[in-house]
Amino acid sequence: EVQLLESGGDLVQPGGSLRLSCAASGFVFNTYAMNWVRQAPGKGLEWISSILSSGYDTYYADSVKGRFTISRDNSRNTLYLQMHSLRADDTAIYYCAKGVKGAYPDWGQGTLVTVSS
Amino acid sequence: QSALTQPASVSGSPGQSITISCTGTSSDVGNYDFVSWYQQFPGKAPNLIITEVSRRPSGVSSRFSGSKSGNTASLTISGLQAEDEADYYCCSHAGYTNIFGGGTKVTVL
Repeated sequence: EVQLLESGGDLVQPGGSLRLSCAASGFVFNTYAMNWVRQAPGKGLEWISSILSSGYDTYYADSVKGRFTISRDNSRNTLYLQMHSLRADDTAIYYCAKGVKGAYPDWGQGTLVTVSS
Repeated sequence: QSALTQPASVSGSPGQSITISCTGTSSDVGNYDFVSWYQQFPGKAPNLIITEVSRRPSGVSSRFSGSKSGNTASLTISGLQAEDEADYYCCSHAGYTNIFGGGTKVTVL
């Protein structure tokens, strides 16, 4: 059974930084692309970043480009999202998801990031 | 990277069929056969119900079907049931990015 467990969400001040983690199990992690999708309170889903299986190819939404960095440690079966220069509109539940090209059959339960002073 | 356009809400009576549209551009929906649909219940993670425009993942009810014409994709729910009341999102691959729709709340009357 595929399991994705996010962690690292917290209350952070505007301009601050945070690193999210997603521990994966139940599948061969180093053969799958991984993604981060977020959902602001009461709002819709927003794709923010993808990383291919090797970790060398990464992609970002314009809204986070230059501020967020996606990475993975295939030896630890873990996906990361390093977030800098956080803003109030980054407040959201952040989900990690397994899949490609917008098709994500497996999701974590999400971790809440709140950006507020 | 504007969100794909979905109606905010769609409603129907049990047993009816409803269709949710998802309109994009020639750079996303119109250019790729990688349109997915998700069902989301309050407080839960999304669940993939359609992939590659019209393919149902294993375990998804045959009452859900997808199609695409030009820049618009559609999700049809046939034989609407109370358990279908949820939010639905489309998502299109767009080259180096992926774009979600704004979401549609389905209400079963």
